[in-house]
Amino acid sequence: GNSVTQMEGPVTLSEEAFLTINCTYTATGYPSLFWYVQYPGEGLQLLLKATKADDKGSNKGFEATYRKETTSFHLEKGSVQVSDSAVYFCALRGTGNQFYFGTGTSLTVIP
Amino acid sequence: GAGVSQSPSNKVTEKGKDVELRCDPISGHTALYWYRQSLGQGLEFLIYFQGNSAPDKSGLPSDRFSAERTGGSVSTLTIQRTQQEDSAVYLCASSSQPRGSGETQYFGPGTRLLVL
Repeated sequence: GNSVTQMEGPVTLSEEAFLTINCTYTATGYPSLFWYVQYPGEGLQLLLKATKADDKGSNKGFEATYRKETTSFHLEKGSVQVSDSAVYFCALRGTGNQFYFGTGTSLTVIP
Repeated sequence: GAGVSQSPSNKVTEKGKDVELRCDPISGHTALYWYRQSLGQGLEFLIYFQGNSAPDKSGLPSDRFSAERTGGSVSTLTIQRTQQEDSAVYLCASSSQPRGSGETQYFGPGTRLLVL
């Protein structure tokens, strides 16, 4: 079956620190992979995506590379800002167009 | 509107009552999804609409849950005889893309349901 596992939070970092949020997946076939972000009081927003192996998604300084050999899609950012404080969800879209989401990782960036 | 809207934003109800949650997708979006976000459980897929039909209802947790979509636009999620375990944030998302890779879903702000 399909599933997504992401690192548990909460994560607290100082401004300008390096961020990694791990995400691994189990899937049949060739899923597309996504990172969604939920800022406080707002709905989910697509942050970045990758549709095939070795693709790199990037947006707002965040990056994630679709690694088929390790079934991973880790989210990284070189220098986080206070405004990056949010909950981050890793997700896959498998066959049948169904999404599977991780449990979310809460990030707090302190000045 | 510019984005997906949901109403009500918050709903408190008593156990055993029925509730209706509404989703207004982005105009022209043919695909519509309902999800449930329970504390510590992540996001759980409930149902997928393409137009007015629901080819995938596999995520509905019980027969107390139902959803419909009319006119290819507004969708209503109905929970009958609510239970305390139904308490969660219910999220709606829509997409303009047909089935295929790289689909982008746009999420609404959610309805926070509390069953007392």
